[in-house]
Amino acid sequence: EAGVVQSPRYKIIEKKQPVAFWCNPISGHNTLYWYLQNLGQGPELLIRYENEEAVDDSQLPKDRFSAERLKGVDSTLKIQPAELGDSAVYLCASSLDGGLEQFFGPGTRLTVL
Amino acid sequence: DAKTTQPTSMDCAEGRAANLPCNHSTISGNEYVYWYRQIHSQGPQYIIHGLKNNETNEMASLIITEDRKSSTLILPHATLRDTAVYYCIVRGVSGKLVFGAGTILRVKS
Repeated sequence: EAGVVQSPRYKIIEKKQPVAFWCNPISGHNTLYWYLQNLGQGPELLIRYENEEAVDDSQLPKDRFSAERLKGVDSTLKIQPAELGDSAVYLCASSLDGGLEQFFGPGTRLTVL
Repeated sequence: DAKTTQPTSMDCAEGRAANLPCNHSTISGNEYVYWYRQIHSQGPQYIIHGLKNNETNEMASLIITEDRKSSTLILPHATLRDTAVYYCIVRGVSGKLVFGAGTILRVKS
């Protein structure tokens, strides 16, 4: 069984440029999460989807971050424009019905120059 | 959701048991204790969870004190591949996983 797939694995951009990350969850998992992980810290939840609906986006900086999960399967997280402080690892996770175990992808490491 | 306190780092000899402590003194009766680990350059991986009884699976054992204010994750025979950051998380009714900084476990040969 394939795990959570994320792309790209690495991205380097200059500040003020836009960037997008893609996530494909485990087949059948209706709950999808995006996390941000700064160096030396644990992941922090940005947004949680139940199917197509964003049920918790309280930690998403909405002035520059946006996310979508149009068909309730894969998802895209976008930053526009990127700032130096956005350099971090962006993790996607999925679970079945918000269940007990979340399965994480390998993450996308973003570097903003 | 209750907060957790873990040591910053620990060392363990290969083949020995690794005992990772966690304090969660403000835990509520309906909150679960979860453990995840994160190997370098990978996403976190679920290990085990429990409410009040001790739990064991193929990866580890979880010992929760009777008052539920602390717990210990036990890796019975640590290998070099167990070197990782281990996160103890109290999961509340919101269902959120709130990660702290975790414990860096270094398994040494």
